[in-house]
Amino acid sequence: EPEVTQTPSHQVTQMGQEVILRCVPISNHLYFYWYRQILGQKVEFLVSFYNNEISEKSEIFDDQFSVERPDGSNFTLKIRSTKLEDSAMYFCASRAGTSGSRNEQFFGPGTRLTVL
Amino acid sequence: QKEVEQDPGPLSVPEGAIVSLNCTYSNSAFQYFMWYRQYSRKGPELLMYTYSSGNKEDGRFTAQVDKSSKYISLFIRDSQPSDSATYLCAMSAPLRGGNKLTFGTGTQLKVEL
Repeated sequence: EPEVTQTPSHQVTQMGQEVILRCVPISNHLYFYWYRQILGQKVEFLVSFYNNEISEKSEIFDDQFSVERPDGSNFTLKIRSTKLEDSAMYFCASRAGTSGSRNEQFFGPGTRLTVL
Repeated sequence: QKEVEQDPGPLSVPEGAIVSLNCTYSNSAFQYFMWYRQYSRKGPELLMYTYSSGNKEDGRFTAQVDKSSKYISLFIRDSQPSDSATYLCAMSAPLRGGNKLTFGTGTQLKVEL
């Protein structure tokens, strides 16, 4: 069964360093998302991406964040200068389309980011 | 008022019990409703998806949506210890290219032998 994959599973970085989190969405999906979950808190939307551009972003997604789909399979989230408060699980999700069951969002296993 | 309210639990039930999990919401624009299961430090796993009022059944799971009351439920029949997890409700409003999910806080469920 197709699934969303994410690498690495765990990333440890120093405050102020840049990190890139990688995702491979399900192959025929067109819409891509990043969410985060701080330990003990709810899953929060960061950004949605469609047709090679950001379609919506939250107030969390400030200038320190960027997303890219560098090729036909990968979808990346970059944090330019990490802060302690960026420590969280980051989930990538993808969706096939907009009608019926194609609207379902499937999540990857997550990358646990620890900023020291 | 939070957009999505969900009782965090924990909810503890004996094996074989019927479990009822609920969420309320305030945004009438929400049209798509999902239930996810999340094991500790893992990604959310989609269990049920529905976009109309009424019931939808899949195996031991039944999702119920009442848009007039802004209330959704997930019922688990014949609960098993392997059902022990956190259950997240999530919903979205139709938006061109968007459809971001707004999650509840999750209800922690423990099914005991």
